[in-house]
Amino acid sequence: ETGVTQTPRHLVMGMTNKKSLKCEQHLGHNAMYWYKQSAKKPLELMFVYNFKEQTENNSVPSRFSPECPNSSHLFLHLHTLQPEDSALYLCASSQTGSTGELFFGEGSRLTVL
Amino acid sequence: AQSVTQLGSHVSVSEGALVLLRCNYSSSVPPYLFWYVQYPNQGLQLLLKYTSAATLVKGINGFEAEFKKSETSFHLTKPSAHMSDAAEYFCAVSEDNFNKFYFGSGTKLNVKP
Repeated sequence: ETGVTQTPRHLVMGMTNKKSLKCEQHLGHNAMYWYKQSAKKPLELMFVYNFKEQTENNSVPSRFSPECPNSSHLFLHLHTLQPEDSALYLCASSQTGSTGELFFGEGSRLTVL
Repeated sequence: AQSVTQLGSHVSVSEGALVLLRCNYSSSVPPYLFWYVQYPNQGLQLLLKYTSAATLVKGINGFEAEFKKSETSFHLTKPSAHMSDAAEYFCAVSEDNFNKFYFGSGTKLNVKP
């Protein structure tokens, strides 16, 4: 079992659909992150949650709505997306205050038609 | 804000040759530095990290990196490339509270037989 699990691994949705990405970490970490990885672009930080509280929102459009019900689970709710939102969405976790590296999930590949 | 520059979006080496992937950072405080590797359709995996101990850091799969404060660099090397090293490599820097990570734009390594 990997430390950070993302579901689904692949998602195809229309621009009017509503879907959610799920992330679960089994590492006991206190911080969780959403990153967007698009072709030919650097990794973009979207949201950071620390002890369930959102500590970073990197000017992300409101059609992306994060939810962090507890320190182990993180969701990204998607609605009325655009084709340019097609990307690999990576979830990560870390333990702030320790050696601090990020542990990544395998990503959810999103295609918006 | 901190930033990371990776020189060369694509690097090609022959199998058995030296691998050198360059990373320079800007930081106003002592940095924590990381190298990650990403194989196709997977998340990022930690190769090695520098957290203010030894300046020469050894990681997995025979990779190592040297922190040079005077040059603000953290270049990744491997003496002899293997076909399985073909992947994309990301350099990252973290602020001292580990809540924020800044990634370079990545370097794709191609290994020729």
